[in-house]
Amino acid sequence: QQQVKQSPQSLIVQKGGISIINCAYENTAFDYFPWYQQFPGKGPALLIAIRPDVSEKKEGRFTISFNKSAKQFSLHIMDSQPGDSATYFCAASIRGATNKLIFGTGTLLAVQP
Amino acid sequence: DAGITQSPRHKVTETGTPVTLRCHQTENHRYMYWYRQDPGHGLRLIHYSYGVKDTDKGEVSDGYSVSRSKTEDFLLTLESATSSQTSVYFCAISEGLADTQYFGPGTRLTVL
Repeated sequence: QQQVKQSPQSLIVQKGGISIINCAYENTAFDYFPWYQQFPGKGPALLIAIRPDVSEKKEGRFTISFNKSAKQFSLHIMDSQPGDSATYFCAASIRGATNKLIFGTGTLLAVQP
Repeated sequence: DAGITQSPRHKVTETGTPVTLRCHQTENHRYMYWYRQDPGHGLRLIHYSYGVKDTDKGEVSDGYSVSRSKTEDFLLTLESATSSQTSVYFCAISEGLADTQYFGPGTRLTVL
């Protein structure tokens, strides 16, 4: 119940296309869903996060879509650019609880020019 | 990197030698974590700390020990390094256990 399943493992997108990464969870108590972006040779960095009281959150070209009934959330990168090439991790937790942030296994995104 | 430094950034060592990695934070966050990152495995939690002298095991703690004598420092020790411990090690911090974690720049460890 504590797992967060992320797909696909890797993704190749053409410049200008839409990149979509999906995550699914089982624990309905999760109420915080951050996405991390990691460039080669760097540590993961918080990209965008959402709470389940909204179905979508947008920051620039990055959008999180949240489907509470399906227990799924996804990251959409619009107008993907070569500079977006990185590894993306989804995560989930229960804010204020004693459970740790649970990470997905990551998606390696390559945006081809 | 949110006031987190790791040292050393790169290390090559031989099988059987002890290795200590250091994480230092200037954010005064209560929680500190050590992860290892390997291709195909994502981020795997080794140990974490919820205060000075308070630590707990993660999912891949065998062969590793940790210590936290000050709020700002969290040490990861490989008592006798093995080739399977070749990896990139990341330290992270957070205010609360379920809160956003902020990561350091990583340490690339190679055990020959």
